[in-house]
Amino acid sequence: NAGVMQNPRHLVRRRGQEARLRCSPMKGHSHVYWYRQLPEEGLKFMVYLQKENIIDESGMPKERFSAEFPKEGPSILRIQQVVRGDSAAYFCASARGHSQETQYFGPGTRLLVL
Amino acid sequence: QKEVEQDPGPLSVPEGAIVSLNCTYSNSAFQYFMWYRQYSRKGPELLMYTYSSGNKEDGRFTAQVDKSSKYISLFIRDSQPSDSATYLCALDRENTGFQKLVFGTGTRLLVSP
Repeated sequence: NAGVMQNPRHLVRRRGQEARLRCSPMKGHSHVYWYRQLPEEGLKFMVYLQKENIIDESGMPKERFSAEFPKEGPSILRIQQVVRGDSAAYFCASARGHSQETQYFGPGTRLLVL
Repeated sequence: QKEVEQDPGPLSVPEGAIVSLNCTYSNSAFQYFMWYRQYSRKGPELLMYTYSSGNKEDGRFTAQVDKSSKYISLFIRDSQPSDSATYLCALDRENTGFQKLVFGTGTRLLVSP
């Protein structure tokens, strides 16, 4: 029973490039959350998606960041024109449904911007 | 002021000790309280989940919520080296329609053999 999968596990980008982070939820889960963990800080909620819908993106920076969860395929967190401050660990979590369903986290993608 | 405060540690204890981990919060709207364990370079995994005030026990772990003081605790009995990890408290408000978690910064625990 595969858990939440994220790839790549490590991603190095130069300033100005684009970063694409992928998240495949657990089987049977149709809800995806993205979090960012900066050094010495806790996880911060970024966005909550259901298939083909963004439900809450109140934690997403207003520029350069976008997320999608298409009908087929993984959820994608996209960061355009990366800056050094984007260096962080990005975690996705999936849940079976909404409300208080438990979130199961993936292993994270560690983004380093040079 | 952060919504959730948690001492980053590290907290070092010998094997077999009782460990107490704590978080304080400022917003009385939080109704759901969770503890996650995160090993180095891994994603968080849910340990305990409680709703409102009271205690909940699961094996060596006990979660305690005191809403009047806005204070939550996780106790680990008979701690083991394998418990060495970062422990994150996570809180959620009621009636948001989905689980929008607010995390503490995490406390790093080191249990020495």
